[in-house]
Amino acid sequence: ETGVTQSPTHLIKTRGQQVTLRCSSQSGHNTVSWYQQALGQGPQFIFQYYREEENGRGNFPPRFSGLQFPNYSSELNVNALELDDSALYLCASSRSTLLAGGPSEQFFGPGTRLTVL
Amino acid sequence: SQQGEEDPQALSIQEGENATMNCSYKTSINNLQWYRQNSGRGLVHLILIRSNEREKHSGRLRVTLDTSKKSSSLLITASRAADTASYFCASNTGGFKTIFGAGTRLFVKA
Repeated sequence: ETGVTQSPTHLIKTRGQQVTLRCSSQSGHNTVSWYQQALGQGPQFIFQYYREEENGRGNFPPRFSGLQFPNYSSELNVNALELDDSALYLCASSRSTLLAGGPSEQFFGPGTRLTVL
Repeated sequence: SQQGEEDPQALSIQEGENATMNCSYKTSINNLQWYRQNSGRGLVHLILIRSNEREKHSGRLRVTLDTSKKSSSLLITASRAADTASYFCASNTGGFKTIFGAGTRLFVKA
């Protein structure tokens, strides 16, 4: 089991609502990435935060936004929820991605299962 | 699709047999990683192989990388029922983005 925690475990929202998901990084990790995993699919990269700044973004609309705090914990916010936002949301922490050779292994949290009705 | 591709999509074997999963990716990489996921929970990192490596071992796991074919394979030897899970490859080009494949669902029958 990794030291990455996520809350809540499950969440049910209705279309148009807003949601905030939280992630606590593993100790010593300064980089957090968020992923969306639809049922039966692989995780899709949403964005990454490094030292409180967005470090890169996948193919997700601006209504997906995030924050990273000084203690390296992170939030994912999704506005104007749509039915297709129903998925497992995973956060992963790692050491800096700026080192040569790319990022080190990522440690994933257990995920938040979001259902949009 | 941004994702790489994994083959097969699903694999069912008997305990004790070997399981081989393949992964293809689209662009040049810095490293490629393999993860396991049990029942829609968080992913567990298995092994990382860098672009200048061709083979790597970890316990019952063996990963190969062929950068000329943009492909990798994961071999699990002497499989156990506890190996039943989904397995994903994830490619990284050296930047912030890690691209996951769609996964192979492995079922090991006791």
